[in-house]
Amino acid sequence: SSELTQDPAVSVALGQTVKITCQGDILATSYASWYHLKPGQAPKVVIYGINNRPSGIPDRFSGSRSGGTASLTITAAQAEDEGDYYCNSRDSTGERWMFGGGTKLTVL
Amino acid sequence: QLQLQESGPGLVKPSETLSLTCVVSGASISSTSHYWGWIRQPPGKGLEWLANVYHNGRTYYNPSLRSRLTLSADTSTNHFSLSLSSVTAADTAVYHCARVSLVPHVYFDQWGQGTLVTVSS
Repeated sequence: SSELTQDPAVSVALGQTVKITCQGDILATSYASWYHLKPGQAPKVVIYGINNRPSGIPDRFSGSRSGGTASLTITAAQAEDEGDYYCNSRDSTGERWMFGGGTKLTVL
Repeated sequence: QLQLQESGPGLVKPSETLSLTCVVSGASISSTSHYWGWIRQPPGKGLEWLANVYHNGRTYYNPSLRSRLTLSADTSTNHFSLSLSSVTAADTAVYHCARVSLVPHVYFDQWGQGTLVTVSS
C-alpha cells in the first residue's frame, strides 16, 4: 500500500508509556517523521529520520521502525503531550509526500 | 529565528481560485537544503500534503490535486505562493506553509500557524 495507517485514538495514564504506530509498505524503506498538533498552535515535528529529536523536544519522545511499521513512543507521558500525532513519509519516487490519518492521544 | 506566515483571503467563492502566500523570515528560500511546502487540514479531518517547491522552481504536487494546483517561489521577496483553482466546499481547510529539511533527513522542520480558508458563496 502507498498509504499510511494510524489508529484513530489512543489513551495513556499520566506518567505511563504509550506507543503510537504508523503502518505502510513504504516505511520499510523510507523514514517516517512525526508531528504533534495542538489546537491553535503550529504543528511541531517531534521525531524525524526514524529516531532523531529536534532541539527542544523532550527525550521522553523516541521513534523506531520494524518492517513497514514506524512507531512513536512517549515514555512517562505528560498532560502537555495530549493532541493529535501524524506520521509522514515520502513514496518510493521521492516526489510524493503523505500523512497518516492521525492518532488522537488522550492523557488520563 | 525562522518564521513562516501564511496570508490570503479567508473566504473564497465556489469555482473561484484560492491564492495564498507564505512569507518567510529568518531564512532564505534560496537555500539548496530545503523545499518549501503547503499542507492543509479540513475541519475535523487529517493533514493532507499539497505541494512542495524548490528555489529553482522545481515543484512536486499531490497527484490528486495536481490539475488544480500551482506553486511558485519568489526568491527576490523571499516568499512562496499557492494557487488552487475551481474550489469547492471540500477545499475548506486550515492551510499551513512549511519548510522541508532535505539534509540529512527529509521532513517538515518548521510550520506556519496556518490560515483558515472557507469556500462558500
